[in-house]
Amino acid sequence: QVQLVQSGAEVKKPGASVKVSCKASGYTFTSYGISWVRQAPGQGLEWMGWISAHNGNTNYAQNVQGRVTMTTDTSTSTVYMELRSLRSDDTAVYYCGRDLAAMIPTVSDCWGQGTLVIVSS
Amino acid sequence: EIVMTQSPATLSVSPGERATLSCRASQSVGSDLAWYQQKPGQAPRLLIYGASTRAAGIPARFSGSGSGTEFTLTISSLQSEDFAVYYCQQYSNWPPWTFGPGTKVDIK
Repeated sequence: QVQLVQSGAEVKKPGASVKVSCKASGYTFTSYGISWVRQAPGQGLEWMGWISAHNGNTNYAQNVQGRVTMTTDTSTSTVYMELRSLRSDDTAVYYCGRDLAAMIPTVSDCWGQGTLVIVSS
Repeated sequence: EIVMTQSPATLSVSPGERATLSCRASQSVGSDLAWYQQKPGQAPRLLIYGASTRAAGIPARFSGSGSGTEFTLTISSLQSEDFAVYYCQQYSNWPPWTFGPGTKVDIK
């Protein structure tokens, strides 16, 4: 079955970087994209960006543009999301989701379990 | 950026009753509208995409309608497992995708 498994929780200091992984299984990795969404404590969902596992094209939300990089490793069917210059308001649960399409971001039909990132001095 | 709004913020419903949730976009998104369900401590679950197409494995009691700027999610007969937060999301005009603030469906 389709499954996305994310890396474990992280605690980081302000100004540091975090790299979250999302390992896919149960489907042809390069036929879909992966989106990243985060959720601050008690808040709603915020889209961060998307990467095509087919060709590596990316699209990032303006509010994290310049601080975020999404990459794929097709040999291990893994997507990475790195967020730099962390601030306290980056504290959130980060989710990866398999997108229905490979070439443009659409909707995510399967999600990872989430990775809690805490930014605190 | 397209702004999504949802109403009501909280909907109190008895099991077995019908629930109607609304979502509005600040400009037309055509039919590029999805609905997700999220329970505490869990990832979102895709219910509806293309405004009215149920995702795989979603029960028929969930239905979506609308186009342009006005959308509705209807749960025909609420089951105990349906009490959750529901988010709408547009994917017509990106970046970014945008989500609504959510409607919490709780037990009356």
